[in-house]
Amino acid sequence: DTGVSQDPRHKITKRGQNVTFRCDPISEHNRLYWYRQTLGQGPEFLTYFQNEAQLEKSRLLSDRFSAERPKGSFSTLEIQRTEQGDSAMYLCASSLPTTRDEAFFGQGTRLTVV
Amino acid sequence: AQSVTQLGSHVSVSEGALVLLRCNYSSSVPPYLFWYVQYPNQGLQLLLKYTTGATLVKGINGFEAEFKKSETSFHLTKPSAHMSDAAEYFCAVSERASGTYKYIFGTGTRLKVLA
Repeated sequence: DTGVSQDPRHKITKRGQNVTFRCDPISEHNRLYWYRQTLGQGPEFLTYFQNEAQLEKSRLLSDRFSAERPKGSFSTLEIQRTEQGDSAMYLCASSLPTTRDEAFFGQGTRLTVV
Repeated sequence: AQSVTQLGSHVSVSEGALVLLRCNYSSSVPPYLFWYVQYPNQGLQLLLKYTTGATLVKGINGFEAEFKKSETSFHLTKPSAHMSDAAEYFCAVSERASGTYKYIFGTGTRLKVLA
């Protein structure tokens, strides 16, 4: 296991289409996070899973966004009816259950909505 | 609520010169602090972290940072810049109050290294 894996790396979609991104965390990590990063900004928290339970969602996560983590393994982030404002880098991170451990980030999925 | 402020969105240094990237935090509880580096179109890589204990923290690639509670700062330094250090650097605080330990990131500092 070499790290957090995200797929696809890049996605171009037309406005109004649905997109789904996948994240495979490091295998022993039970915490999984999704962040969104727009140009010139730091990553912003979207949602958090502990095992399969989604424990927190940011107000940034509108009802067009949904995330799942079935069986506490990989996670998916779906955006329905995409808007140009959804264009961003979507980053996934995972960490161990101990509280002081750092999060390991994937390389991200860059979404462009045209 | 916790927050992070990074002073200077762009910093330029000459190769071999001292690198100093500034980070100030706001936290009502003892913070966990992190510095991450991001290369173009890549994810974030951890440089170093402070949780408890020694206030001078050494990280990868010759970087270090000092936690100063009195100044609420966690500035990142490197004695001698290398061309390969050109990247964007993010300071983050771990928000423990909510129990999620999610990160609150600063807006980043883009480091340019001049030959």
